[in-house]
Amino acid sequence: GAGVSQTPSNKVTEKGKYVELRCDPISGHTALYWYRQSLGQGPEFLIYFQGTGAADDSGLPNDRFFAVRPEGSVSTLKIQRTERGDSAVYLCASSSVAFSEQFFGPGTRLTVL
Amino acid sequence: KQEVTQIPAALSVPEGENLVLNCSFTDSAIYNLQWFRQDPGKGLTSLLLIQSSQREQTSGRLNASLDKSSGRSTLYIAASQPGDSATYLCAVRPNTGNQFYFGTGTSLTVIP
Repeated sequence: GAGVSQTPSNKVTEKGKYVELRCDPISGHTALYWYRQSLGQGPEFLIYFQGTGAADDSGLPNDRFFAVRPEGSVSTLKIQRTERGDSAVYLCASSSVAFSEQFFGPGTRLTVL
Repeated sequence: KQEVTQIPAALSVPEGENLVLNCSFTDSAIYNLQWFRQDPGKGLTSLLLIQSSQREQTSGRLNASLDKSSGRSTLYIAASQPGDSATYLCAVRPNTGNQFYFGTGTSLTVIP
């Protein structure tokens, strides 16, 4: 595709609900990253995929967060039992190979009421 | 853990001025460093990527330099324009591990 896309652009949910956020990387990019950005802060690393496998998930804050990339392209970030503190913009980025130039999507703004 | 600092947090300049944005990092063992701009409510747009073996990169009116030994990078913007108004972020990837570490950004306003 022309760029990284993310859906939905906005998600409002209630505390305790389950949400899924989707990322479509640039076609052919093998590396995919998820970040979380709070207001006034830089993005914070969550997880990195190389192909289908999660090469590094050390940034996931707790076991309510999980991400998959089953076919090495689209990735889904899943959050269970959402809490108000999960409210943030979730950003996805991809790069052609690991740790080359990253290209970001527009983000999903998650609001937990 | 790598710490990335960007000073100043905000900067306001008249149109046409040349300006420098600063990025400091605590661990000099880096793989590369990338500069981004972020417009309000938007994702990040890549500006320049500097590999650890490089001293600088240029794209149009932008020039980024890297001094690993002192833990610093600068982004130079020539002849600033109102369209340059945005938040500028730097991100550092260390030699080890898989994380990129971001600064909190410099919010730039160019006044017409």
